[in-house]
Order: sequence, then structure tokens, then C-alpha cells
Amino acid sequence: KQEVTQIPAALSVPEGENLVLNCSFTDSAIYNLQWFRQDPGKGLTSLLLIQSSQREQTSGRLNASLDKSSGRSTLYIAASQPGDSATYLCAVKSPGTYKYIFGTGTRLKVLA
Amino acid sequence: GAGVSQSPSNKVTEKGKDVELRCDPISGHTALYWYRQSLGQGLEFLIYFQGNSAPDKSGLPSDRFSAERTGGSVSTLTIQRTQQEDSAVYLCASSREGRLIQETQYFGPGTRLLVL
Repeated sequence: KQEVTQIPAALSVPEGENLVLNCSFTDSAIYNLQWFRQDPGKGLTSLLLIQSSQREQTSGRLNASLDKSSGRSTLYIAASQPGDSATYLCAVKSPGTYKYIFGTGTRLKVLA
Repeated sequence: GAGVSQSPSNKVTEKGKDVELRCDPISGHTALYWYRQSLGQGLEFLIYFQGNSAPDKSGLPSDRFSAERTGGSVSTLTIQRTQQEDSAVYLCASSREGRLIQETQYFGPGTRLLVL
């Protein structure tokens, strides 16, 4: 059974810092991994989707990497801004299923 | 175009009452998903609809939970005889075609349910 873990559960950093959020999964047989952002009172917004054959994806200040063999993904945020404050969720989709299995998220607070 | 919408945005109910939560997916999306997010927990899959196929109800926590999707569009999640442990945010998502490996799911803002 696939399980997804995110560390740390919460993170507070000063503006401008580069930071890394971690996601680990127990079954390396995945189709893809996706990082989402969730703002209070709002739904999830997809940030980056990495296919199982890819090693990383980049969008602006965000870079997500995937190491399937070790069951890990990292989300790197460069030059953090207060507007980056949100909960970040990673989710994996396994073969033969359309469901995403989600981690419990990392609550990020970027201080001005 | 318009995103996924859900109503109501907030619902407070008394234990034992029935509630209905509504989801309007993105037009043209054939796949629709319901998830539940309890306090401090990750998103928990509840049910999946794909076109005219029989829904995957494997995530529904009890027989008090049911969902339907009429005309391949709007979906309603019904919780009968609500319990306090049903309090959570219920999120709906849709995607163009659930079987495609690389497609993303688009989420609605959720319905916050509080059972007193």
C-alpha cells in the first residue's frame, strides 16, 4: 500500500531564503508525482507534475526533483516571498489507478 | 473558462442530520473525484466517476456516504446521519479523462463541514 510522507510538517523562514520541501513514498512504482499548493479557504493548485521517466521539472522559482529508486521528491523554492506562504502537498499516482495518494503537507510561512 | 465550483462553501449541521454537498466540474471533464481532508490529515480519496462507467466507491468510509453524478456533469455527495467525525473539508476535483497518466486534476475550493 502506497504511503506518502512529507517533512517537515511546518516551516517558517525569512523572506529571500531558498528552501527545500521533502516528500517520500513507500512504493517506487509510480506513474507520476505532483506538487500542489493549498491556500487557506481555497482548493489545491497544481504547481508541478513529474512523470516517472523524468528527473525534474521547473517552473519559475520552483524546481521539483524525483528519485524513484529512493522514493523521494523535493520541491525547491528559490528566493522565497511572503506570497509563497501556503501548505504544499505532494501526491503520487500509481500504475493501474487514477487516484492520487496525498501526503499530509508542509505548512510554509515566509516572514517579511 | 470557469474552474471547479462547490457549494455550499461552509456547512454547519447537527449530529444525525443529512447533508448534501454539490460539485460542478469543469465543462467537458469526464472524470470527477471526491476527497476528504480532515484536520491534520492528508487528502483521503472517497469516490471517482469516469464518464458512464460504474463509479469507484472504494474510498467511501461507511454506508452513510453516497454520491451520484447526473448527466455526466454535476455531482452530489450525500452524508446521512452525520457524525462529529465527518467534520472535514470535502474537496471535489475534475480532469479531462481520468485514465490519462499525465493529466492533472483541477480542484474546487472545497466545502467545510462542521458537525456539532
